[in-house]
Amino acid sequence: AQSVTQPDIHITVSEGASLELRCNYSYGATPYLFWYVQSPGQGLQLLLKYFSGDTLVQGIKGFEAEFKRSQSSFNLRKPSVHWSDAAEYFCAVGPMEYGNKLVFGAGTILRVKS
Amino acid sequence: DTGVSQDPRHKITKRGQNVTFRCDPISEHNRLYWYRQTLGQGPEFLTYFQNEAQLEKSRLLSDRFSAERPKGSFSTLEIQRTEQGDSAMYLCASSSSGLDSYEQYFGPGTRLTVT
Repeated sequence: AQSVTQPDIHITVSEGASLELRCNYSYGATPYLFWYVQSPGQGLQLLLKYFSGDTLVQGIKGFEAEFKRSQSSFNLRKPSVHWSDAAEYFCAVGPMEYGNKLVFGAGTILRVKS
Repeated sequence: DTGVSQDPRHKITKRGQNVTFRCDPISEHNRLYWYRQTLGQGPEFLTYFQNEAQLEKSRLLSDRFSAERPKGSFSTLEIQRTEQGDSAMYLCASSSSGLDSYEQYFGPGTRLTVT
């Protein structure tokens, strides 16, 4: 069955430090991969996506992610974290059959300390 | 450009009552999705519409749940005889059916609390 694993429930980093959030997926075909961010009281905002081609993808807010097929991973990175990045981050994989529904991981809560 | 909107944002109801949520997708999007998110979990797919046709329903969607999308515009999700286990955030998303069809845009959600 298709699944997404985000091994870290919480991560705390200092402002200005680098960040890497881990995502591993299980999918039978070529996956489409996404990272979303959710701030308290807000909906999910798409940070970046990977469909094909260059395995290093750039997103909004200075985030990037690298697709590694051999490791079934799609880790999210940012070189310098800002306090406003504190939020919950979700990795998702699709398309799931007809309709392109997504399967999400359980999320990683990022805390930023000053 | 207005995004996906959902109404109400919060709903508190007593067990056994019926509730209905509304989602207004981005106007040019013909695909609409409902997801449910419980505390500490990522969103889980509930159902999907293309235009007015409901094309897929998750096993999570019990007989107490019904969704409609009349005229292929807004959608409603109704829960009958609510149970405490229905307490969750209900998220709506929409997408086009073109080249960007895999990009889903989410609304702010409706948080349901069943007491």
